[in-house]
Amino acid sequence: SQQGEEDPQALSIQEGENATMNCSYKTSINNLQWYRQNSGRGLVHLILIRSNEREKHSGRLRVTLDTSKKSSSLLITASRAADTASYFCATANTNAGKSTFGDGTTLTVKP
Amino acid sequence: DTEVTQTPKHLVMGMTNKKSLKCEQHMGHRAMYWYKQKAKKPPELMFVYSYEKLSINESVPSRFSPECPNSSLLNLHLHALQPEDSALYLCASSQDGQGSGYTFGSGTRLTVV
Repeated sequence: SQQGEEDPQALSIQEGENATMNCSYKTSINNLQWYRQNSGRGLVHLILIRSNEREKHSGRLRVTLDTSKKSSSLLITASRAADTASYFCATANTNAGKSTFGDGTTLTVKP
Repeated sequence: DTEVTQTPKHLVMGMTNKKSLKCEQHMGHRAMYWYKQKAKKPPELMFVYSYEKLSINESVPSRFSPECPNSSLLNLHLHALQPEDSALYLCASSQDGQGSGYTFGSGTRLTVV
Protein backbone atom coordinates (compact mmCIF):
# COMPACT_ATOMS: atom_id res chain seq x y z
CA SER A 1 0.00 0.00 0.00
CA GLN A 2 0.97 3.63 -0.32
CA GLN A 3 3.78 5.15 1.73
CA GLY A 4 2.30 7.66 4.15
CA GLU A 5 -1.03 6.34 5.37
CA GLU A 6 -3.05 8.60 7.58
CA ASP A 7 -5.70 8.10 10.16
CA PRO A 8 -8.34 8.96 10.81
CA GLN A 9 -9.68 9.48 7.29
CA ALA A 10 -12.15 12.02 8.65
CA LEU A 11 -12.33 13.95 11.92
CA SER A 12 -15.08 16.25 13.14
CA ILE A 13 -14.63 18.40 16.25
CA GLN A 14 -15.99 21.53 17.90
CA GLU A 15 -14.18 24.84 17.75
CA GLY A 16 -11.70 25.14 20.61
CA GLU A 17 -10.98 21.41 20.79
CA ASN A 18 -7.67 19.84 19.78
CA ALA A 19 -7.32 17.75 16.62
CA THR A 20 -4.78 14.95 16.23
CA MET A 21 -3.93 13.26 12.95
CA ASN A 22 -1.52 10.38 12.47
CA CYS A 23 0.67 9.33 9.59
CA SER A 24 2.46 6.00 9.17
CA TYR A 25 5.03 5.16 6.56
CA LYS A 26 7.00 2.14 5.43
CA THR A 27 10.49 3.05 4.22
CA SER A 28 13.34 5.14 5.62
CA ILE A 29 12.93 8.88 5.24
CA ASN A 30 15.01 12.06 5.40
CA ASN A 31 12.12 14.22 6.52
CA LEU A 32 8.36 14.31 6.81
CA GLN A 33 6.20 17.24 5.87
CA TRP A 34 2.61 18.21 6.65
CA TYR A 35 0.38 20.14 4.26
CA ARG A 36 -3.09 21.65 4.41
CA GLN A 37 -5.46 21.81 1.46
CA ASN A 38 -8.65 23.80 1.41
CA SER A 39 -11.31 22.43 -0.91
CA GLY A 40 -10.24 22.56 -4.55
CA ARG A 41 -7.16 24.66 -3.82
CA GLY A 42 -3.42 24.07 -3.79
CA LEU A 43 -1.60 22.56 -0.84
CA VAL A 44 0.02 24.79 1.76
CA HIS A 45 3.20 23.66 3.47
CA LEU A 46 2.73 23.68 7.25
CA ILE A 47 5.79 22.16 8.84
CA LEU A 48 8.78 19.93 8.07
CA ILE A 49 10.39 17.62 10.61
CA ARG A 50 13.73 15.98 9.89
CA SER A 51 14.47 12.35 10.65
CA ASN A 52 16.78 13.32 13.53
CA GLU A 53 14.11 15.47 15.20
CA ARG A 54 11.44 14.15 17.55
CA GLU A 55 9.15 17.14 17.97
CA LYS A 56 8.57 20.47 16.34
CA HIS A 57 6.21 23.38 17.05
CA SER A 58 4.84 26.15 14.89
CA GLY A 59 2.14 28.34 16.40
CA ARG A 60 -0.82 26.08 17.23
CA LEU A 61 0.79 23.13 15.43
CA ARG A 62 2.81 20.42 17.11
CA VAL A 63 4.38 17.62 15.09
CA THR A 64 6.05 14.52 16.48
CA LEU A 65 8.10 11.92 14.66
CA ASP A 66 8.92 8.42 15.86
CA THR A 67 11.27 6.83 13.34
CA SER A 68 11.35 3.54 15.27
CA LYS A 69 7.58 3.20 14.75
CA LYS A 70 7.68 4.92 11.36
CA SER A 71 4.94 7.29 12.41
CA SER A 72 4.20 10.98 12.87
CA SER A 73 1.39 12.95 14.39
CA LEU A 74 0.06 16.44 13.80
CA LEU A 75 -1.70 18.16 16.68
CA ILE A 76 -3.70 21.33 16.10
CA THR A 77 -4.54 23.00 19.39
CA ALA A 78 -7.51 25.30 20.06
CA SER A 79 -8.98 24.58 16.63
CA ARG A 80 -10.89 27.19 14.66
CA ALA A 81 -13.51 26.88 11.92
CA ALA A 82 -10.85 28.14 9.50
CA ASP A 83 -8.80 24.99 10.20
CA THR A 84 -11.42 23.00 8.28
CA ALA A 85 -9.42 21.40 5.44
CA SER A 86 -7.70 18.21 4.32
CA TYR A 87 -4.33 17.51 5.87
CA PHE A 88 -1.66 15.43 4.13
CA CYS A 89 1.66 14.07 5.28
CA ALA A 90 4.45 13.64 2.76
CA THR A 91 7.58 11.58 3.29
CA ALA A 92 10.82 12.59 1.60
CA ASN A 93 13.57 10.20 0.65
CA THR A 94 16.50 12.11 -0.80
CA ASN A 95 17.70 9.15 -2.85
CA ALA A 96 14.33 8.89 -4.56
CA GLY A 97 14.33 12.62 -5.36
CA LYS A 98 10.68 12.95 -4.50
CA SER A 99 8.14 12.99 -1.69
CA THR A 100 5.18 10.64 -1.39
CA PHE A 101 1.85 11.87 -0.05
CA GLY A 102 -0.40 10.02 2.35
CA ASP A 103 -4.11 9.57 1.79
CA GLY A 104 -5.00 12.56 3.95
CA THR A 105 -7.30 13.37 6.86
CA THR A 106 -10.36 15.55 6.31
CA LEU A 107 -10.85 17.79 9.34
CA THR A 108 -14.13 19.58 9.99
CA VAL A 109 -14.22 22.14 12.80
CA LYS A 110 -17.76 23.14 13.75
CA PRO A 111 -18.30 26.69 15.02
CA ASP B 1 7.72 36.69 -4.44
CA THR B 2 6.84 33.47 -2.61
CA GLU B 3 4.21 32.15 -4.98
CA VAL B 4 3.72 29.59 -7.67
CA THR B 5 1.33 30.92 -10.30
CA GLN B 6 -0.70 28.56 -12.46
CA THR B 7 -2.80 29.44 -15.49
CA PRO B 8 -5.52 28.93 -16.44
CA LYS B 9 -7.48 28.28 -13.23
CA HIS B 10 -10.15 26.36 -15.12
CA LEU B 11 -10.00 24.59 -18.49
CA VAL B 12 -12.61 22.66 -20.42
CA MET B 13 -11.32 20.83 -23.48
CA GLY B 14 -12.57 18.30 -25.97
CA MET B 15 -10.84 15.00 -26.56
CA THR B 16 -9.37 16.21 -29.86
CA ASN B 17 -8.09 19.54 -28.53
CA LYS B 18 -4.52 20.57 -27.78
CA LYS B 19 -4.02 22.83 -24.78
CA SER B 20 -1.25 23.81 -22.38
CA LEU B 21 -1.07 24.43 -18.65
CA LYS B 22 1.43 26.97 -17.43
CA CYS B 23 3.30 27.37 -14.17
CA GLU B 24 5.68 30.11 -13.04
CA GLN B 25 7.78 30.76 -9.95
CA HIS B 26 10.33 33.44 -9.11
CA MET B 27 11.72 32.06 -5.87
CA GLY B 28 14.89 30.73 -7.47
CA HIS B 29 13.74 27.16 -6.86
CA ARG B 30 15.58 24.64 -9.02
CA ALA B 31 13.05 21.80 -8.93
CA MET B 32 9.54 21.92 -10.36
CA TYR B 33 6.79 19.33 -10.32
CA TRP B 34 3.49 18.40 -11.91
CA TYR B 35 0.93 16.57 -9.81
CA LYS B 36 -2.51 15.24 -10.69
CA GLN B 37 -5.19 15.13 -8.01
CA LYS B 38 -8.59 13.47 -8.23
CA ALA B 39 -11.37 14.37 -5.81
CA LYS B 40 -10.80 13.17 -2.23
CA LYS B 41 -7.44 11.64 -3.17
CA PRO B 42 -3.84 12.69 -2.48
CA PRO B 43 -1.76 14.36 -5.19
CA GLU B 44 -0.08 11.89 -7.55
CA LEU B 45 3.32 12.80 -8.91
CA MET B 46 3.55 13.02 -12.71
CA PHE B 47 6.87 14.71 -13.55
CA VAL B 48 9.88 16.24 -11.83
CA TYR B 49 12.26 18.74 -13.39
CA SER B 50 15.51 19.32 -11.58
CA TYR B 51 17.78 22.10 -12.83
CA GLU B 52 15.63 22.30 -15.97
CA LYS B 53 16.13 18.63 -16.82
CA LEU B 54 13.42 16.00 -16.62
CA SER B 55 14.49 13.76 -13.76
CA ILE B 56 11.34 11.76 -13.02
CA ASN B 57 8.49 10.62 -15.26
CA GLU B 58 6.08 8.48 -13.28
CA SER B 59 5.05 6.43 -16.34
CA VAL B 60 2.68 9.13 -17.47
CA PRO B 61 0.87 8.54 -20.82
CA SER B 62 2.39 10.40 -23.76
CA ARG B 63 -0.75 12.50 -24.18
CA PHE B 64 0.80 14.55 -21.34
CA SER B 65 4.01 16.28 -22.41
CA PRO B 66 5.99 18.42 -19.97
CA GLU B 67 8.33 21.23 -20.92
CA CYS B 68 10.67 23.41 -18.87
CA PRO B 69 11.69 26.40 -21.03
CA ASN B 70 13.76 27.96 -18.21
CA SER B 71 14.27 27.75 -14.46
CA SER B 72 11.11 29.80 -13.75
CA LEU B 73 8.63 28.22 -16.13
CA LEU B 74 7.01 24.82 -16.43
CA ASN B 75 4.43 23.83 -19.01
CA LEU B 76 2.25 20.77 -19.41
CA HIS B 77 1.07 20.18 -22.98
CA LEU B 78 -2.14 18.21 -23.35
CA HIS B 79 -3.31 16.35 -26.44
CA ALA B 80 -6.00 13.76 -27.10
CA LEU B 81 -7.00 13.50 -23.46
CA GLN B 82 -9.69 11.19 -22.11
CA PRO B 83 -12.57 12.09 -19.78
CA GLU B 84 -10.81 10.19 -16.97
CA ASP B 85 -7.98 12.73 -17.20
CA SER B 86 -10.32 15.32 -15.69
CA ALA B 87 -8.71 16.38 -12.40
CA LEU B 88 -6.97 19.19 -10.54
CA TYR B 89 -3.44 19.64 -11.93
CA LEU B 90 -1.04 21.09 -9.44
CA CYS B 91 2.35 22.60 -10.05
CA ALA B 92 4.89 22.82 -7.24
CA SER B 93 8.46 23.94 -6.76
CA SER B 94 11.15 23.26 -4.21
CA GLN B 95 14.59 24.67 -3.54
CA ASP B 96 16.68 21.77 -4.75
CA GLY B 97 14.54 18.68 -5.30
CA GLN B 98 15.94 17.03 -2.17
CA GLY B 99 12.68 16.91 -0.23
CA SER B 100 13.00 20.38 1.27
CA GLY B 101 9.28 21.11 1.15
CA TYR B 102 7.10 22.22 -1.72
CA THR B 103 5.40 25.47 -2.63
CA PHE B 104 2.23 24.67 -4.54
CA GLY B 105 0.24 26.68 -7.01
CA SER B 106 -3.56 26.89 -6.74
CA GLY B 107 -4.00 24.41 -9.55
CA THR B 108 -5.82 24.15 -12.86
CA ARG B 109 -9.21 22.43 -12.74
CA LEU B 110 -9.32 20.46 -16.01
CA THR B 111 -12.48 18.98 -17.44
CA VAL B 112 -12.25 16.79 -20.55
CA VAL B 113 -15.53 16.45 -22.47
